[in-house]
Amino acid sequence: RKEVEQDPGPFNVPEGATVAFNCTYSNSASQSFFWYRQDCRKEPKLLMSVYSSGNEDGRFTAQLNRASQYISLLIRDSKLSDSATYLCVVRLDTGRRALTFGSGTRLQVQP
Amino acid sequence: NAGVTQTPKFRVLKTGQSMTLLCAQDMNHEYMYWYRQDPGMGLRLIHYSVGEGTTAKGEVPDGYNVSRLKKQNFLLGLESAAPSQTSVYFCASSAPYEQYFGPGTRLTVT
Repeated sequence: RKEVEQDPGPFNVPEGATVAFNCTYSNSASQSFFWYRQDCRKEPKLLMSVYSSGNEDGRFTAQLNRASQYISLLIRDSKLSDSATYLCVVRLDTGRRALTFGSGTRLQVQP
Repeated sequence: NAGVTQTPKFRVLKTGQSMTLLCAQDMNHEYMYWYRQDPGMGLRLIHYSVGEGTTAKGEVPDGYNVSRLKKQNFLLGLESAAPSQTSVYFCASSAPYEQYFGPGTRLTVT
């Protein structure tokens, strides 16, 4: 079983749509949670951290449910520029502090 | 501010050849990492370093070696390349709450 599971998609949505991605993680000791964005043939870049209380950054809202070990990302009013792969990422904050990645969910926003 | 840089950007090797990938960061970070990314899979940790002179194995270390002689540099070596090592390699360095990635090295082993 993968440590971080995501639906690979692709999610094809029209501009202006709202789209939601989910992921689950298996290590209950995970302490930090993130969504990274990866454009085609580029490096991953941090989109936002995810907090237990939920957090919002413009059109993006992230939620964490520690009891269910579930993380979500909601994108409102999708733009063409949102087309990318979204990586769900968890981390243990002790020791090596390395990130554990899901395989990503691909989003294609259509004009 | 260059952030994290990787050299080379592309490379084609024949089976059995060796090479070294160089990662450099100018952010004075202690922690550095090498990941590989294969189609349909997330990034997987190869080796990491928590400071100058230290290295440790990640999840997929076989066939790779690393060195961290200077704080700003983290080298990944392939002693005898195999086709299974065809991948995109990302280096990262870490601040307390964010990892910064280099642009990647695309390696093909034929």
